[in-house]
Amino acid sequence: GQQVMQIPQYQHVQEGEDFTTYCNSSTTLSNIQWYKQRPGGHPVFLIQLVKSGEVKKQKRLTFQFGEAKKNSSLHITATQTTDVGTYFCAGANNDMRFGAGTRLTVKP
Amino acid sequence: DAGVTQSPTHLIKTRGQQVTLRCSPKSGHDTVSWYQQALGQGPQFIFQYYEEEERQRGNFPDRFSGHQFPNYSSELNVNALLLGDSALYLCASKVRSDNSPLHFGNGTRLTVT
Repeated sequence: GQQVMQIPQYQHVQEGEDFTTYCNSSTTLSNIQWYKQRPGGHPVFLIQLVKSGEVKKQKRLTFQFGEAKKNSSLHITATQTTDVGTYFCAGANNDMRFGAGTRLTVKP
Repeated sequence: DAGVTQSPTHLIKTRGQQVTLRCSPKSGHDTVSWYQQALGQGPQFIFQYYEEEERQRGNFPDRFSGHQFPNYSSELNVNALLLGDSALYLCASKVRSDNSPLHFGNGTRLTVT
């Protein structure tokens, strides 16, 4: 069945440093979605990528979808303490399958 | 406009018991999915309901069953509870479209002792 792998599992950065998390699927995806879950909260939708090679930006966040539609990345420029949380990718075929997430902590 | 609501927020059960969790989707949404999230893990897909039928199912045993009602609300039932069933159970709703995002509720924290 479809598997979505995400690395790294944890990332601790100093405020102002950049952060990247990577997502890989065992199968080609129709689309990929990214979610953020704050400690004690629930996943909140960030963005969706549909097209091969697509790149989308949200302020300091840049999302990419691979040419083969099997991998994706999320890059945060100049992290802030408000970026703390776990970032999940979710790959869609018939249902949404989530990666294990990358937990980001930011030291002020 | 209420988002996805789940009840109860917390629940403590004993091994072997049965539990029912409830979910009301976001207004305008007709598809409900259930996820199990163990501590420090990503949400694991249990199943999805649309038009009152189970449409997709993840790798969960038959002890996990569900239901969707005509008003699109949904229930998750777990029988013969095991200690390993302790987790946060998340309900997510969306509009029936492959590309629509999931809206999650706050979840039900189930503890099995």
